[in-house]
Amino acid sequence: GAVVSQHPSRVICKSGTSVKIECRSLDFQATTMFWYRQFPKQSLMLMATSNEGSKATYEQGVEKDKFLINHASLTLSTLTVTSAHPEDSSFYICSARKEADTEAFFGQGTRLTVV
Amino acid sequence: GNSVTQMEGPVTLSEEAFLTINCTYTATGYPSLFWYVQYPGEGLQLLLKATKADDKGSNKGFEATYRKETTSFHLEKGSVQVSDSAVYFCALVHQAGTALIFGKGTTLSVSS
Repeated sequence: GAVVSQHPSRVICKSGTSVKIECRSLDFQATTMFWYRQFPKQSLMLMATSNEGSKATYEQGVEKDKFLINHASLTLSTLTVTSAHPEDSSFYICSARKEADTEAFFGQGTRLTVV
Repeated sequence: GNSVTQMEGPVTLSEEAFLTINCTYTATGYPSLFWYVQYPGEGLQLLLKATKADDKGSNKGFEATYRKETTSFHLEKGSVQVSDSAVYFCALVHQAGTALIFGKGTTLSVSS
């Protein structure tokens, strides 16, 4: 099967600090990874599409300087929430797709709480 | 643009009841269609999928048929269990390499 591992699963940080979330495809190479944000009892909102070796494509309304995405290798993408504020508290989920495949595999999600 | 519309929940059922969660989509061409399930505090798991018209996806007793004529992909299960309690998301992808587009999700609660 295809496994996507996201780390950490939960993180609590203080306002003004930065938090890095990792998304790894464990048994396949993912040329494209996606980052979503999920608010309580709501659907997943696509934040950005991350392509290995190039700049991420952000959705309208998502602050590029606040949500830094790096896709350094075919198995790792990171999302860094910079200068976090309480309103950034949310559930962040990554997904990865094998090349030329429409199915996406999801990480376990990261619950971020900013205090 | 492409979009997915799901019936709003929550859906509350007794164990062994029949389940239908409606899903319709708007898209050009022939998207691939998916149902994902999310258990409390967890990420999404693929439940089933269909990649072309008239395909039926099935898994764990759940089924959904890709209906091009009605642009629908309704999720059904003949007899639900308490362990099926979760949030169900209908989704589509229009072409390989693009992101999934999700419906708003439907919460299912099954009681014994």
